[in-house]
Amino acid sequence: GAVVSQHPSWVICKSGTSVKIECRSLDFQATTMFWYRQFPKQSLMLMATSNEGSKATYEQGVEKDKFLINHASLTLSTLTVTSAHPEDSSFYICSAREPTQNIQYFGAGTRLSVL
Amino acid sequence: GEDVEQSLFLSVREGDSSVINCTYTDSSSTYLYWYKQEPGAGLQLLTYIFSNMDMKQDQRLTVLLNKKDKHLSLRIADTQTGDSAIYFCAESRNNNDMRFGAGTRLTVKP
Repeated sequence: GAVVSQHPSWVICKSGTSVKIECRSLDFQATTMFWYRQFPKQSLMLMATSNEGSKATYEQGVEKDKFLINHASLTLSTLTVTSAHPEDSSFYICSAREPTQNIQYFGAGTRLSVL
Repeated sequence: GEDVEQSLFLSVREGDSSVINCTYTDSSSTYLYWYKQEPGAGLQLLTYIFSNMDMKQDQRLTVLLNKKDKHLSLRIADTQTGDSAIYFCAESRNNNDMRFGAGTRLTVKP
């Protein structure tokens, strides 16, 4: 299957700082990538759809100024959590849609802990 | 909104078959998926099925789809301890907007 790489896998930061998470499709080009958030023992919650070369589409209730998404190339999307607070601590997972199969492949996730 | 439901827990003995069930409400679903998540990891695509298919088999995995009842199941034959994980059912209409179930935690006892 196609490979999606997500970095970092775990980050600890102080409250008020910003954190950038990268999502890369390694062996295919992805015009569309997705960012999810997962709370402990819960399912995935779609935060936003990232489209290469255009603005991301955010789900209702997700602050676009808080969670900045940039999809500047066909293989890279970034999520920046700005002015992080402890309530932003969570597991963030990205996925990329492989265009020939039309299937989403997921990264390994990033565990964010805000102190 | 449209829902995807699955039972939260399943426990089986090593060597037995596991059957994880899922129901969905969107009759327009075109893709249905099963993902596996191990602790602290992302989601691994196990298999998927198009809505015009009834069954798909891949080695130890068998997916059954009853489109009339909107019921999807995943059968794992000869379940091993390494199969212990959370299994997510998901559906989409065009693979752009996926809806996930809450996940079924499979525990395999030796």
